[in-house]
Amino acid sequence: EAQVTQNPRYLITVTGKKLTVTCSQNMNHEYMSWYRQDPGLGLRQIYYSMNVEVTDKGDVPEGYKVSRKEKRNFPLILESPSPNQTSLYFCASRPSGRGPGVFFGPGTRLTVL
Amino acid sequence: LAKTTQPISMDSYEGQEVNITCSHNNIATNDYITWYQQFPSQGPRFIIQGYKTKVTNEVASLFIPADRKSSTLSLPRVSLSDTAVYYCLVGTMNSGYSTLTFGKGTMLLVSP
Repeated sequence: EAQVTQNPRYLITVTGKKLTVTCSQNMNHEYMSWYRQDPGLGLRQIYYSMNVEVTDKGDVPEGYKVSRKEKRNFPLILESPSPNQTSLYFCASRPSGRGPGVFFGPGTRLTVL
Repeated sequence: LAKTTQPISMDSYEGQEVNITCSHNNIATNDYITWYQQFPSQGPRFIIQGYKTKVTNEVASLFIPADRKSSTLSLPRVSLSDTAVYYCLVGTMNSGYSTLTFGKGTMLLVSP
């Protein structure tokens, strides 16, 4: 089944403890992206990647890192999480040249205490 | 990126046709219009995209007038399961659609 998967789906952690949220897609998509969704603020893009080894900042990149060493994987790294990073995170992907329609993962609900 | 404006919420009843209009006065020549649906705590789901005139798929229709300053998502005969937030986005082909800006969307509530 064609899909975008994220792990973990739920995570409670403490301030300063490094964590990684994994994202994987099995559709051979070139483009991948991370979003966070917060009440009243909607969906905001954190980082995106147009292809392997090509990443760029979105609207809210502060406090996050990403890497794209393989086409299928696009992990989101929080080196020192803080409570203001408590949010619902979505990974997304799409093939290049197919317009703006993207496929979203199921989401990761992160709580930083 | 062109800004979009949608109604905050809409109400409907099962079996009715629902039309959600989105305003995008500053749309650029190469911009496409895309609509997404989102259920609570789930990722947005791509519904339909178009450039001009009318596009129809198995889920919805998208009407775009000649000036392209607005678009209307039409959902035929809605059911309770269509209750969701609907987002209108305008994306620029020139940037490879690298950034997608989601607005606040329209909360559609379908009642029995």
